[in-house]
Amino acid sequence: EPEVTQTPSHQVTQMGQEVILRCVPISNHLYFYWYRQILGQKVEFLVSFYNNEISEKSEIFDDQFSVERPDGSNFTLKIRSTKLEDSAMYFCASSQQGSTEAFFGQGTRLTVV
Amino acid sequence: SQQGEEDPQALSIQEGENATMNCSYKTSINNLQWYRQNSGRGLVHLILIRSNEREKHSGRLRVTLDTSKKSSSLLITASRAADTASYFCATDAWAGGFKTIFGAGTRLFVKA
Repeated sequence: EPEVTQTPSHQVTQMGQEVILRCVPISNHLYFYWYRQILGQKVEFLVSFYNNEISEKSEIFDDQFSVERPDGSNFTLKIRSTKLEDSAMYFCASSQQGSTEAFFGQGTRLTVV
Repeated sequence: SQQGEEDPQALSIQEGENATMNCSYKTSINNLQWYRQNSGRGLVHLILIRSNEREKHSGRLRVTLDTSKKSSSLLITASRAADTASYFCATDAWAGGFKTIFGAGTRLFVKA
């Protein structure tokens, strides 16, 4: 069964460093998403991406964040200068054209020290 | 806000008992989904119920949906210690693609 894959599963980075979280969505999906879950809290929407551009972003998704689809398979989330409060689980998801059902990856746990 | 909100926030039961978790939301939906998350781990999709469905079963799970009340419930029958996890309901909203809006979750603890 096709699935969304995320790498790495866990990343530790120093405050102020840039990180790139990687995702490989399901191959025939056209819509891509990033979500964040701070420990003990709910999963929050960050950004949606379609046709090589951002469709919608939340207030969390400030100038420190960017997304990119650098090739036909990867979808990345970059945090330019990490802060302690960026420590969270980050989930990637993708969906088909016209579908309300998104498929989630297993997440990347980001720890900023 | 269209967030699903679960209650109770936490639930502790004995193994073998049934666990019922409720979810309410605010605006119209296309579907409602339930997810499970073990502590610090990924999201496991449990079940999706469409807005034109009233009840759906999957193994020991039973989900109901009442669109007139904008509410859903998840029933886990004959619970096991391995069911201990957080359970989230999630609705959809258009964001140039359908984004998923998660509730705060119910933390279920099943005592052996």
